[in-house]
Amino acid sequence: DAMVIQNPRYQVTQFGKPVTLSCSQTLNHNVMYWYQQKSSQAPKLLFHYYDKDFNNEADTPDNFQSRRPNTSFCFLDIRSPGLGDAAMYLCATSRDRVYNEQFFGPGTRLTVL
Amino acid sequence: TQLLEQSPQFLSIQEGENLTVYCNSSSVFSSLQWYRQEPGEGPVLLVTVVTGGEVKKLKRLTFQFGDARKDSSLHITAAQPGDTGLYLCAAPQTGGFKTIFGAGTRLFVKA
Repeated sequence: DAMVIQNPRYQVTQFGKPVTLSCSQTLNHNVMYWYQQKSSQAPKLLFHYYDKDFNNEADTPDNFQSRRPNTSFCFLDIRSPGLGDAAMYLCATSRDRVYNEQFFGPGTRLTVL
Repeated sequence: TQLLEQSPQFLSIQEGENLTVYCNSSSVFSSLQWYRQEPGEGPVLLVTVVTGGEVKKLKRLTFQFGDARKDSSLHITAAQPGDTGLYLCAAPQTGGFKTIFGAGTRLFVKA
């Protein structure tokens, strides 16, 4: 089945210790998104890739970086996690940016100790 | 700034009851999506509505897009515990590439 996969599902890191979250998709979609979601709030967009074109949201902290080495994979790097970065991180894909029905992965729950 | 306002924020009902969730905006959107998110999981797309006045049905769920494409509603008939979750409406930003999400309606259906 075509899908969006996120690994790991649960990640525990220490304050200030870099962490990488991964996302892969078998949908062959052009667009991949990373969202941060806290406490049943709406997902907050961090950035998205349209093919290889990276688009950062203005209010995304510099602490968050992303890589998309190919169509299928996208990574979220948190360089120095703080306690406030503890959240659910959601990866999503869409076929294009205009119509943008999004298909979400199951998320990675990040805990910062 | 385009916003989607959902109401109610929280709803707790008994199994078998009917309910309606609303998603309102002062902006016109080209389309609107509804997602359901269960605890610890990612949102799952339920439906996309595109045409003003459009009504779509998904089993016991009925979705309607307002005539002016500024608002939408989700009606659940005879709610079941399996309907429990966070319901999010979302729409593509006009002139941009961002998806705007409502704050969500958290539904709890008691057996």
